[in-house]
Amino acid sequence: GQNIDQPTEMTATEGAIVQINCTYQTSGFNGLFWYQQHAGEAPTFLSYNVLDGLEEKGRFSSFLSRSKGYSYLLLKELQMKDSASYLCAVLDSNYQLIWGAGTKLIIKP
Amino acid sequence: ETGVTQTPRHLVMGMTNKKSLKCEQHLGHNAMYWYKQSAKKPLELMFVYNFKEQTENNSVPSRFSPECPNSSHLFLHLHTLQPEDSALYLCASSQDSSGGAETQYFGPGTRLLVL
Repeated sequence: GQNIDQPTEMTATEGAIVQINCTYQTSGFNGLFWYQQHAGEAPTFLSYNVLDGLEEKGRFSSFLSRSKGYSYLLLKELQMKDSASYLCAVLDSNYQLIWGAGTKLIIKP
Repeated sequence: ETGVTQTPRHLVMGMTNKKSLKCEQHLGHNAMYWYKQSAKKPLELMFVYNFKEQTENNSVPSRFSPECPNSSHLFLHLHTLQPEDSALYLCASSQDSSGGAETQYFGPGTRLLVL
């Protein structure tokens, strides 16, 4: 079957750095998405990786290793507004999005 | 970003009621999606429409009935729901769904409670 694994919950301190991991086993791979979802709000697009390596976008970076079936989202200089759920999703060989259950990130002052 | 809107935002209904959820996208996209989001579970894809034609029905019970009158509007008609159908229902749109890595843009969802 197809599976996306990510931690259920993480806690970090304001100003610090946090890494949210995502591992996947899917039938084929056509890219990996990260979305941010604040409580009661729409998921919003953060990043898309299809090639190995690190993509940086301001305070957020996303890394992909296709051979390991692994990605992470790196958040630097954490702010209170970064408290949200972070969803990992993989496009399989049929271009179907397979979603993880999300990681709830709690930022403490 | 208010590219995708959903109404109502909250809905409480009894098991014998009939109600409809509405989604509208202002992004000029051709594909629209309904998802169910339950606590601590992955998003569950329910239906996909591409250019107004239904291209995906993920074995969704018939008590959920989608309607897509045009590329900008999507409805989900609900009747005789069960308490386990209580969840957040998210609508999304993308340029199209015929293949390719299209980014999906989501609405804020309708929080549904079935009593």
